[in-house]
Amino acid sequence: DTEVTQTPKHLVMGMTNKKSLKCEQHMGHRAMYWYKQKAKKPPELMFVYSYEKLSINESVPSRFSPECPNSSLLNLHLHALQPEDSALYLCASSQGGTGGNQPQHFGDGTRLSIL
Amino acid sequence: AQSVTQPDIHITVSEGASLELRCNYSYGATPYLFWYVQSPGQGLQLLLKYFSGDTLVQGIKGFEAEFKRSQSSFNLRKPSVHWSDAAEYFCAVGEGSGGGADGLTFGKGTHLIIQP
Repeated sequence: DTEVTQTPKHLVMGMTNKKSLKCEQHMGHRAMYWYKQKAKKPPELMFVYSYEKLSINESVPSRFSPECPNSSLLNLHLHALQPEDSALYLCASSQGGTGGNQPQHFGDGTRLSIL
Repeated sequence: AQSVTQPDIHITVSEGASLELRCNYSYGATPYLFWYVQSPGQGLQLLLKYFSGDTLVQGIKGFEAEFKRSQSSFNLRKPSVHWSDAAEYFCAVGEGSGGGADGLTFGKGTHLIIQP
């Protein structure tokens, strides 16, 4: 069982829809991450929150909008997505504010399909 | 910039045989190295990690990895594979500069196939 919970597991949306992906962890971690993973590819970092502040934004298009309401929750708001945004979106968390030397714990992801 | 190379895209091993998955990294300072496994439709599960100290690290599910600074390698090994080990394996490096959370840089992955 994963300690990082992502909802929904699957999401199908049109290009004009607005939806949100949710992630929750109860391990007391203070850093949370969003990754995008295309089929047969490694995960690619999108955003990093450290102590609820956005610390890394890897030049992700503005149609993706992250939000960290508190240290346990991480959302990814989606608007006007393109078909190429179809992917597995993974959430992860790690202890403290230094992610480099802390293992990241991943959720099972949300499989997103854009029609 | 840090990078990770996994030279083998696919590896096929017979059940019960030994396994070695290769990983090479490029990083100026002491790297923080990880191996993750991903089953189809699942997230990534941490197998083991190396930060410092003993260069042979033990992980879950009978896996181990050896850090060799001279070869910039962190190869994953298992003495006897089981059919349930079939999955995608990712080597990753974390930046060790401190001062804020950092993401991981992943290799392209190695797809492990187990033959009966």
